[in-house]
Amino acid sequence: NAGVTQTPKFQVLKTGQSMTLQCAQDMNHEYMSWYRQDPGMGLRLIHYSVGAGITDQGEVPNGYNVSRSTTEDFPLRLLSAAPSQTSVYFCASRSGQVGEKLFFGSGTQLSVL
Amino acid sequence: DQQVKQNSPSLSVQEGRISILNCDYTNSMFDYFLWYKKYPAEGPTFLISISSIKDKNEDGRFTVFLNKSAKHLSLHIVPSQPGDSAVYFCAALQGGSEKLVFGKGMKLTVNP
Repeated sequence: NAGVTQTPKFQVLKTGQSMTLQCAQDMNHEYMSWYRQDPGMGLRLIHYSVGAGITDQGEVPNGYNVSRSTTEDFPLRLLSAAPSQTSVYFCASRSGQVGEKLFFGSGTQLSVL
Repeated sequence: DQQVKQNSPSLSVQEGRISILNCDYTNSMFDYFLWYKKYPAEGPTFLISISSIKDKNEDGRFTVFLNKSAKHLSLHIVPSQPGDSAVYFCAALQGGSEKLVFGKGMKLTVNP
């Protein structure tokens, strides 16, 4: 019963580098999303997907790309990392109707120097 | 502009007493509200939810109250236990939207 799996758990990047945060779920959930958590800011939605091939922007999408080629995976790409992207990133998924509870991964701590 | 507000950053209570966590919202179109709990180095976990057609929902020691006219909800934990020590997030959803909006969180400490 893995649930939502995020890799890596920790990552340090230099400004301008690119990387992909991985997220996979084994619950056959249609909806997946990415949030970032910053001190004093709560959780803010970056991008979300309601199914394979369908993605949309959240509250803070700039600097991030996503794609959804399978139901299970929803990677988050940083094209050119900036110090402002230093944060803890959470992937989440849910099934069923809007309002169903989200299941979160354990997070990726990203530092951009 | 914060649509979901948790104005108190922290709360400390004694074991066995009641914990009351408050949340205010500004968007009158929100019609579904959820509470999540988060331990350090873990992802948030769902705690309890309430639809705008109700004013109260209970699940064991946890009760959420919704006052739509005041745009206010609260989470009551009775009795509080040391294992309840965590950060609690209030979240809201507008009907038809896929975007769950979170508050900044509130750190609850339950002292033995």
